[in-house]
Amino acid sequence: GIQVEQSPPDLILQEGANSTLRCNFSDSVNNLQWFHQNPWGQLINLFYIPSGTKQNGRLSATTVATERYSLLYISSSQTTDSGVYFCAVNAGGTSYGKLTFGQGTILTVHP
Amino acid sequence: SQTIHQWPATLVQPVGSPLSLECTVEGTSNPNLYWYRQAAGRGLQLLFYSVGIGQISSEVPQNLSASRPQDRQFILSSKKLLLSDSGFYLCAWSPAYEQYFGPGTRLTVT
Repeated sequence: GIQVEQSPPDLILQEGANSTLRCNFSDSVNNLQWFHQNPWGQLINLFYIPSGTKQNGRLSATTVATERYSLLYISSSQTTDSGVYFCAVNAGGTSYGKLTFGQGTILTVHP
Repeated sequence: SQTIHQWPATLVQPVGSPLSLECTVEGTSNPNLYWYRQAAGRGLQLLFYSVGIGQISSEVPQNLSASRPQDRQFILSSKKLLLSDSGFYLCAWSPAYEQYFGPGTRLTVT
């Protein structure tokens, strides 16, 4: 099956810093999503981005499907950005709707 | 707008006891439904998915089963829980490709 690798596994920032999270995947995809898991476990949808670039406030994401990677940018980080960021992909074909998750990046933002 | 509910929020069960977790979706019809499990640590693993009433596909062999008795209801069950069934169980729905997750149920098997 498709493999998803996220880097870095852990990231510690001071409030106000910028960061880039990376997601590499091993096959072509028809769905790529970025999630933020808050301390209560809720998975919050950040982006649905199988290709191209999107921005939402301080967050933006870019997926280069031909090179099989996606980047999540967080600018001017805040303590509320802390949590785990997941990349998840669906490879289509017989894997109908199935999302394969990376292991996540644990982000800690200190005041 | 669409809303997804899960209950209970937390559950502590002894080994060998039965399990029933429920997931319901409001504000949509004929959604694709999914059960994922997140063990201590990180990544989520897909357990079951359903594209319609009574249609269940299992991704991994295990001690669990799923049922979809109504269009917007998805149930995760076990006849006898194992210690290894402990984890965080998340239900998700999808109109097409993008998936949306419920608040989850934290299960501890003692």
